[in-house]
Amino acid sequence: GQSLEQPSEVTAVEGAIVQINCTYQTSGFYGLSWYQQHDGGAPTFLSYNALDGLEETGRFSSFLSRSDSYGYLLLQELQMKDSASYFCAALTDSWGKLQFGAGTQVVVTP
Amino acid sequence: DVKVTQSSRYLVKRTGEKVFLECVQDMDHENMFWYRQDPGLGLRLIYFSYDVKMKEKGDIPEGYSVSREKKERFSLILESASTNQTSMYLCASTSVRSSKETQYFGPGTRLLVL
Repeated sequence: GQSLEQPSEVTAVEGAIVQINCTYQTSGFYGLSWYQQHDGGAPTFLSYNALDGLEETGRFSSFLSRSDSYGYLLLQELQMKDSASYFCAALTDSWGKLQFGAGTQVVVTP
Repeated sequence: DVKVTQSSRYLVKRTGEKVFLECVQDMDHENMFWYRQDPGLGLRLIYFSYDVKMKEKGDIPEGYSVSREKKERFSLILESASTNQTSMYLCASTSVRSSKETQYFGPGTRLLVL
């Protein structure tokens, strides 16, 4: 079957660094995306890794290792507004079909 | 900016009713998707469409059907609503010509089936 595993919840203080890990097992794999969803809101795209290595977008970075079927999202200099759910999603075909993980709730405390 | 709209934010229906959820996107995207989101389960794909009048089953199509008569509009139909279909329904679209890994989501429809 297809699965993406990520932790259910992470708590950290403002200014800290949080790493959300994602391991995947899918029948097809083109790359790994990350989405953010605030309570009551729609998921929004954060980043995508097609190749191994680190991609940096401001305070957020994403990493992929295809050989380990593993990726992570790194949130730096945490702010209260970063409190949200974060989903990893594997791109599983050339048409744009995504397989999502169950999501990680990030709670940022003062 | 890409805009994906859904016909209702909240909907209450009775068991056995036929339910229509509408989704419209304004960016000429080829692909459209319907997901349901339940706590602890993430987003699960119900159906998707690569083009007008084309549809493909996702991971949980049972009890649902879809319609795509126009490129910008993708409808999800619950033929006979049941209580286990109470959920948040999210529509998304993406362009295969540019960044197909980026899906643009609508605000969601929270459906309660009594």
